[in-house]
Amino acid sequence: GAVVSQHPSRVICKSGTSVKIECRSLDFQATTMFWYRQFPKKSLMLMATSNEGSKATYEQGVEKDKFLINHASLTLSTLTVTSAHPEDSSFYICSARDPKSSYNSPLHFGNGTRLTVT
Amino acid sequence: DQQVKQNSPSLSVQEGRISILNCDYTNSMFDYFLWYKKYPAEGPTFLISISSIKDKNEDGRFTVFLNKSAKHLSLHIVPSQPGDSAVYFCAAKGVGETSGSRLTFGEGTQLTVNP
Repeated sequence: GAVVSQHPSRVICKSGTSVKIECRSLDFQATTMFWYRQFPKKSLMLMATSNEGSKATYEQGVEKDKFLINHASLTLSTLTVTSAHPEDSSFYICSARDPKSSYNSPLHFGNGTRLTVT
Repeated sequence: DQQVKQNSPSLSVQEGRISILNCDYTNSMFDYFLWYKKYPAEGPTFLISISSIKDKNEDGRFTVFLNKSAKHLSLHIVPSQPGDSAVYFCAAKGVGETSGSRLTFGEGTQLTVNP
């Protein structure tokens, strides 16, 4: 079964509004979660690393004020797309790894959120 | 700069035949490679992985081959089944990156297995 839950699966919003996406680890406590973005027919691009209790680490070119990440607990990270624009429309996916698993154990991904900004 | 490349956006095979998905990389600091499978509107699910110290890893119908000198890996699925139809992503992790994090993904290959 799913070990990482993401909500909502789909959201449509108007330009200028903000949208919050939640990512929860179900079976383990994740001190670190990762947010990816996928453009149509493109690879998944890492946006940021969410760290529990501290600031997120953003990849080069990702606007931290645009994509707010909060990792307030060991099982929940949120990504808020602020003042959304149509170009923010994309598929956003979170992932996490059970820290108790082995070194090279794979990431578990959520089911993603399809954001459409009109 | 696309460090992990999957040059074939799509592949179509007949049920029961072998599917071969290819992946090339440019960064010699990658030391661990993974294949993920993704259905529409879902997140990727882990399929199989290989460490750079190996050249082959097998798990049931899935085998991953790694050719370090050519910076090339491939995923073999045999026999292919219609349920294997999905997008397959190749991903790589660099030396020093902890525990499967910060993966670099290829663009994906859409595999269609025809009954």
